[in-house]
Amino acid sequence: EAQVTQNPRYLITVTGKKLTVTCSQNMNHEYMSWYRQDPGLGLRQIYYSMNVEVTDKGDVPEGYKVSRKEKRNFPLILESPSPNQTSLYFCASNSGRGLQETQYFGPGTRLLVL
Amino acid sequence: AQRVTQPEKLLSVFKGAPVELKCNYSYSGSPELFWYVQYSRQRLQLLLRHISRESIKGFTADLNKGETSFHLKKPFAQEEDSAMYYCALRGGSNDYKLSFGAGTTVTVRA
Repeated sequence: EAQVTQNPRYLITVTGKKLTVTCSQNMNHEYMSWYRQDPGLGLRQIYYSMNVEVTDKGDVPEGYKVSRKEKRNFPLILESPSPNQTSLYFCASNSGRGLQETQYFGPGTRLLVL
Repeated sequence: AQRVTQPEKLLSVFKGAPVELKCNYSYSGSPELFWYVQYSRQRLQLLLRHISRESIKGFTADLNKGETSFHLKKPFAQEEDSAMYYCALRGGSNDYKLSFGAGTTVTVRA
């Protein structure tokens, strides 16, 4: 079954404690991305990756890091989380452009930073 | 800079009534426009995109470059259409940056 998985699904942490949210896809997609969803703001893209070792900033990259060492995984790293990073995070992958494009979103990770 | 505006945060319609969700965008080139839907407690999923020119679950959307709009329409709303809807824009060619609107929550009442 084609899917995007994220772990953990829920996380409560404290300010400054480094954390990583993992994202994995089993569809051999080249393109992956991270979003945060906040009430009234919709989804905002944090980072995206066009392929292994190729990443670029989205609209709100501050305070986040990513890596793409292998095609299936695209972890989101918060080196020093702050309360304003409390949010719902989604990972997504897609492949192809145009009519053949397929997109899949992960189930979301709800993060609370105290 | 690319920007997507969904002017309505909430939209309430009766079952069987038409529903239209507005989406306006700003982008200097030729964008790709998308509509996504998120049902309660489910993942975000792609509903439709302008290049496919198809109707999905009775929804259609037409890209109007003159008005820079991509409104989503359905002639007869159903209760199962109650969800959050997001309009999104991506630049053409090799641009993978995707910008979303703030979303519109649709409630279809019986």
